[in-house]
Amino acid sequence: EVQLLESGGGLVQPGGSLRLSCVTSDFAFRSHAMHWVRQAPGRGLEWVSFISESGSTTSYAASVKGRFTISRDNFKNSVFLQMSPLRAEDTAVYYCVRDLILGALDHWGQGALVTVAP
Amino acid sequence: QSALTQPASVSGSPGQSVTISCTGTSSDIGYYDFVSWYQQLPGKVPKLLTYDVTKRPSGVSSRFSGSKSGNTASLTISGLQAEDEGHYYCFSYTGTSAPWIFGGGTKLTVL
Repeated sequence: EVQLLESGGGLVQPGGSLRLSCVTSDFAFRSHAMHWVRQAPGRGLEWVSFISESGSTTSYAASVKGRFTISRDNFKNSVFLQMSPLRAEDTAVYYCVRDLILGALDHWGQGALVTVAP
Repeated sequence: QSALTQPASVSGSPGQSVTISCTGTSSDIGYYDFVSWYQQLPGKVPKLLTYDVTKRPSGVSSRFSGSKSGNTASLTISGLQAEDEGHYYCFSYTGTSAPWIFGGGTKLTVL
């Protein structure tokens, strides 16, 4: 069974940093692009970032570009999201998501809660 | 780029059909066939319902179907059931430097 498990969330002050990790299992990780999607409390889904199968191509939402960095380790079947500097509006549950093909997000992790507050 | 436009809410009675629209532009939905739909039940993780406009992953009920006309994609749910109540989101490729975008979400109420 495909599994995605996020970690690294928590409470951080505005201006601080966090690094989310997502460890995956039971599928050919290096054959799939990956995304991070977030959901602020009581709000809708917001696409955050994309990384291609090899890691050579990345993209970001305008709201996080220049502050967040996505990366992956195909030997450790993991994808990461480095976030800095964080703002209050970054408070959300962050989901690690597998891309089946061209934006078909077929497997989602359970999410990691990031809270940015003084 | 602003989110794709979805109605805030729709409703229907058990057994009826409902359609949720998702309006973009000629640069995203109108140009690419990379539109997918997601169901998020209360307290749950989103679930893929359809992709590439009309395709359905294995295990997803045939009651869910996707379509597209011009700049608007649609999700039709037939034979409404109480367990369909939740939020529905569209998602599209845009071809820009921020290439993916969600709709604002639609709350489905089964009366």
